[in-house]
This record gives sequence, C-alpha cells and structure tokens, in this order.
Amino acid sequence: EVQLVESGGTLAQPGGSLRLTCVGSGFAFSSFEMNWIRQVPGKGLEWIAYIDSGGDNIYYADSVRGRFAISRDNVKNSVYLQLGSLGDRDTALYFCARDLGFCSGGTCYPGALDVWGQGTLVTVSS
Amino acid sequence: AIHLTQSPSSLSASVGDRVTITCRASQGISSALAWFQQKPGKAPRLLIYDASNLESGVPSRFSGSGSGTEFTLTISSLQPADFATYFCQQSSSYPVTFGQGTRVEIK
Repeated sequence: EVQLVESGGTLAQPGGSLRLTCVGSGFAFSSFEMNWIRQVPGKGLEWIAYIDSGGDNIYYADSVRGRFAISRDNVKNSVYLQLGSLGDRDTALYFCARDLGFCSGGTCYPGALDVWGQGTLVTVSS
Repeated sequence: AIHLTQSPSSLSASVGDRVTITCRASQGISSALAWFQQKPGKAPRLLIYDASNLESGVPSRFSGSGSGTEFTLTISSLQPADFATYFCQQSSSYPVTFGQGTRVEIK
C-alpha cells in the first residue's frame, strides 16, 4: 500500500522550533518530488515547501522562507520540515504530499499531489 | 503567485443533483489544474488532474473540464459520500496555490 505518515507535531512555544517527519512506504520514495502543505483546521490549504527527488531543488512559500527548512533522506524514505521562529500563524495541521511533477533545465514544475499523509498537528502557544 | 478563485463558496444540494463548481485562475495555466475532495479530519483526496483526467479509483460521476483561466468540476449525480469540501489547485508553477474551497452540503 502506498502510504505517507507524518509525525512530530506537538505544542510549541512562540519563537521555538520543531522538526516534522514524513515517512513514505509502498513506492520508490527516492524517485518522487515531495511537498509540505498546511491547513488551519476548518480553513483552506497552504502550500509551504517543495523538494525534488534528489534534494537538489527546493522552493518555499514566502510565508515560511527563512524560517522553515525542507530536507530529505532517501535511505530512510523520509522528508523533513524543520520549523523555526514559530508564531501563532504557524498553528496548523501539516501534511506531506507526493508530487508527480518533474524538473528540467534546473527548473522544477509541480504535478498532481496524488498521495497525502494524514497530517500532524502543530500548535504554537505559550 | 497565481490566485485561484472558486465559486460558489458553499452550496446545498440533494442526492441525485448535478453539481458544478468553478475555479478561475488569475492568469493562464493551460490545463495544469487539479481538484481535491476533503472530508472533516481527513487529508485531501485527488479527484482530477491536468484539468480533466480522472484519478484512478475515483467514481466516473466526477469530471473536470476547462483550460486557460476557467475550469469546472462536475458531479453528475450527487451521492451521500460526496458531501464534502472541494478544492482546486494549480500545478503550473511554484508557488503551488489552492482555491479557497467549496463546501457541498445536504439540502
């Protein structure tokens, strides 16, 4: 079964940091681009970070650039999101999603987000 | 960033109704649009990709159409399992963006 499982969400202090993990199984993880997307409960979806299959191309949303960092370990079939300088606005359910996009000539293009994890909840509060 | 506007924001419909949701992009995106269904407490589920391609396992009552800046998701005969929130997403360029969602409720 193709599956993504997130973990690491918790209650964090404003200004603090946290690392989220997403583990893939049932597919050739190292062949796929990956994304992190977040959602305030009851609200819309916000894409926040992308990493290509080899970890060479990384993109961020303006809202998290400089504070969050995406990385991956293809040996462990895992993608990570390091969250820093946390604020109330970062409280959300964080999803990882597999991306069917591709990279060409140094530029990457998104594709369908066909597999999603169940999400991990980050709550920022003092 | 490419902005997506969905309409309506919510709708009430009955089982068996034909339902259409529209997504408009702030600039042309060819056919690089996907549709997702989301139920409370669950992850989004991919329904349609590249504007009109049905994802494997998705019932044929779902269909998508459009190109450029205007797209539609149609449910030909609404079923009880279809009451949910629907999002469009552009896959033309980063940053990936989503529409604000359309909530489909039982009339």
